[in-house]
Amino acid sequence: KNEVEQSPQNLTAQEGEFITINCSYSVGISALHWLQQHPGGGIVSLFMLSSGKKKHGRLIATINIQEKHSSLHITASHPRDSAVYICAVYGGATNKLIFGTGTLLAVQP
Amino acid sequence: EAGVAQSPRYKIIEKRQSVAFWCNPISGHATLYWYQQILGQGPKLLIQFQNNGVVDDSQLPKDRFSAERLKGVDSTLKIQPAKLEDSAVYLCASSLGRGEYNEQFFGPGTRLTVL
Repeated sequence: KNEVEQSPQNLTAQEGEFITINCSYSVGISALHWLQQHPGGGIVSLFMLSSGKKKHGRLIATINIQEKHSSLHITASHPRDSAVYICAVYGGATNKLIFGTGTLLAVQP
Repeated sequence: EAGVAQSPRYKIIEKRQSVAFWCNPISGHATLYWYQQILGQGPKLLIQFQNNGVVDDSQLPKDRFSAERLKGVDSTLKIQPAKLEDSAVYLCASSLGRGEYNEQFFGPGTRLTVL
């Protein structure tokens, strides 16, 4: 079992829909990152969380440390949001960044 | 501010050949990372440098992979000889310092195909 699990693995939405991507982890962490990866492109950091909630534009990230769970929300989704969204946690036995396998999001016009 | 630069962007080689990737981190970033991302998986850390010293290379297959950061700036990652299972995207990232509160900035990656 992976230490970082994401759901769903694939998500197709219509433009304008509210989107939620979930991340669960099984190790103790000091920080959680949400990252975005476009096809053929590099990875961009969206958020770093250690507690609570952060908002940037149409993106909202929340974390519940007790439940070992985080969510990434996208409001008013747009085709340009189409990408792979990766959850990564800093911690575990090795105290390094551990990545989930990503959620492939496709937003259709 | 210039981002992390990597070259080449794409490379196709035959198994048992050698290949090298280059990374130029963001100016002033002391920490440099090389990741391997196999299709459908998240990135896996291969090696982490702090300036020109190795901090973590526990997941680097040292029988065929090597990396260096001689002057604490640019870095090269080499595979010799390559195997089919080395086909992946190789990502370089850098950060100001070590630890969980230092944001990592990623380069565009090098897509390696081993035939």
